[in-house]
Amino acid sequence: DGGITQSPKYLFRKEGQNVTLSCEQNLNHDAMYWYRQDPGQGLRLIYYSQIVNDFQKGDIAEGYSVSREKKESFPLTVTSAQKNPTAFYLCASSVGTSGEQYFGPGTRLTVT
Amino acid sequence: GENVEQHPSTLSVQEGDSAVIKCTYSDSASNYFPWYKQELGKRPQLIIDIRSNVGEKKDQRIAVTLNKTAKHFSLHITETQPEDSAVYFCAALSTGANNLFFGTGTRLTVIP
Repeated sequence: DGGITQSPKYLFRKEGQNVTLSCEQNLNHDAMYWYRQDPGQGLRLIYYSQIVNDFQKGDIAEGYSVSREKKESFPLTVTSAQKNPTAFYLCASSVGTSGEQYFGPGTRLTVT
Repeated sequence: GENVEQHPSTLSVQEGDSAVIKCTYSDSASNYFPWYKQELGKRPQLIIDIRSNVGEKKDQRIAVTLNKTAKHFSLHITETQPEDSAVYFCAALSTGANNLFFGTGTRLTVIP
């Protein structure tokens, strides 16, 4: 299960605080993605990046921000503007944008 | 954009029986259709995928069929085993998009 890692596995924050979720991959993949998973709603795309220093909004980008300064890393910041941040967050990567995506183990964020 | 619908949301079968999960998509330009399996608390993992230039693909007990005209594709699991119990997600990728659109998932329970 190596190749793409996320940390921490569980994260707890107080409402109003920004929090950054880590995603690292050593697969030499160009594309990386962030998804949010809620019960009964499948995986919804937050942001994706096809190449270093470039990223695009997904379906639910409001209240989130990302950066892609290195090929290996694609951190996600959940800002205080995100109305309902408690969720399971999954990072993924792929060689290009038209093939298999490999997922990280996920981070479960709880905001109270 | 693409819209993927998945049915049923839950499915229970007796061990040894077959299971079928169906998905429809809206974008006729979609050309890649993966299926992911997610065990409880784990990351989604690709189990099979199909591209639009074929109608069926099989890998041991798992098969996927694609009907481009009707814009639907299905996952077939034969001789189900308890370890097949998981949530299964279908997805679609259109030629114009750079990301996958996921269905809402099917929770499969195989009863021993």
